Amino acid sequence: SQQGEEDPQALSIQEGENATMNCSYKTSINNLQWYRQNSGRGLVHLILIRSNEREKHSGRLRVTLDTSKKSSSLLITASRAADTASYFCALCYDKIIFGKGTRLHILP
Amino acid sequence: NAGVTQTPKFQVLKTGQSMTLQCAQDMNHEYMSWYRQDPGMGLRLIHYSVGAGITDQGEVPNGYNVSRSTTEDFPLRLLSAAPSQTSVYFCASSPGSSYSYNEQFFGPGTRLTVL
Repeated sequence: SQQGEEDPQALSIQEGENATMNCSYKTSINNLQWYRQNSGRGLVHLILIRSNEREKHSGRLRVTLDTSKKSSSLLITASRAADTASYFCALCYDKIIFGKGTRLHILP
Repeated sequence: NAGVTQTPKFQVLKTGQSMTLQCAQDMNHEYMSWYRQDPGMGLRLIHYSVGAGITDQGEVPNGYNVSRSTTEDFPLRLLSAAPSQTSVYFCASSPGSSYSYNEQFFGPGTRLTVL
């Protein structure tokens, strides 16, 4: 069944470094969305990338989508302490399926 | 705008009790949904609605009922609470009726414990 598989499950990096997390999936999608969740809070939408797009930017965020490999990546550049959170990809076709997330920890 | 609001923030129930989780949004969004989030899991869709008077089941609907009498409100009812329903519940809304194409706005969540 369709499910987003995020990789890695957890990631710790030094403040100022770049963080990359990946999402792979099995069947065709209409678009893919990335969300952030701070501890104990609701999810916040980051970026939506459509199936006919290959790359999108928003501030320090860069998302790529490779439909031939059925994978997407989220890059956060120049990480900050406030980026510590869980990041989820959401696969959108005739339904929306969330992955299990990547826990990102930014070390001071 | 308050966005998406949920009440209560925390709730403890005994097995067999019933209760209603409230969700409201003030953005005039057509699409609303309920998710549950369990440790180490992503969000799983319980029920959703594409407009007032229209609801449908998601991935894990058993044990839950919903109704949508107004655009603003989308309550989730637990009919007879079970320990397996211990979870964090999130309500979300999205502009338009096609959730696949629009960002979702999430509420702060309700943490439910069933003893």
